[in-house]
Amino acid sequence: DSGVTQTPKHLITATGQRVTLRCSPRSGDLSVYWYQQSLDQGLQFLIQYYNGEERAKGNILERFSAQQFPDLHSELNLSSLELGDSALYFCASSEGLAGEETQYFGPGTRLLVL
Amino acid sequence: KNEVEQSPQNLTAQEGEFITINCSYSVGISALHWLQQHPGGGIVSLFMLSSGKKKHGRLIATINIQEKHSSLHITASHPRDSAVYICAVSPYNNNDMRFGAGTRLTVKP
Repeated sequence: DSGVTQTPKHLITATGQRVTLRCSPRSGDLSVYWYQQSLDQGLQFLIQYYNGEERAKGNILERFSAQQFPDLHSELNLSSLELGDSALYFCASSEGLAGEETQYFGPGTRLLVL
Repeated sequence: KNEVEQSPQNLTAQEGEFITINCSYSVGISALHWLQQHPGGGIVSLFMLSSGKKKHGRLIATINIQEKHSSLHITASHPRDSAVYICAVSPYNNNDMRFGAGTRLTVKP
């Protein structure tokens, strides 16, 4: 158990809909990262937050947004969903900001868009 | 061309064999990570290294910064080592992470 929790574990929805994925980092970790893992593109970095502020952005679509709240949990919002958004979404956390820190991964949320 | 290349893509070994997975990258990095993903999907961080060599149990990771290359070795492999092993790099002065496509390892009893 990494100490990172994600909800829900599974999500089935329809095209055009909007969903929210939730992540609680390990106690004491200030950074939260979001990743997408699809069958055809592997793991991709989406976005990072540190202590409530966005710090790095990767291949995140404009239809996707995220935020980190004062209690440090984070939410990833996916809107106008398309079939291709079906994937595993992981969040990870680390203590600080730097890239040279171990990241602890949550169990993931499996999203299926029908 | 992907910034992080892993080889082989798939690897089948007999229990007890010594295994090596390779990772080459093309960007300047502050650290390299080896991750393990089991069939259930969960990801575990095995190593983070920026120089030299690290060992944890039967796992050894090495990195050569000049050659932009890292290897993950598993000694005395066991069926429970069957998983996908993913190499990832943290680019220098950047907080994101770039991933290799993964190596699927199957260890047969």
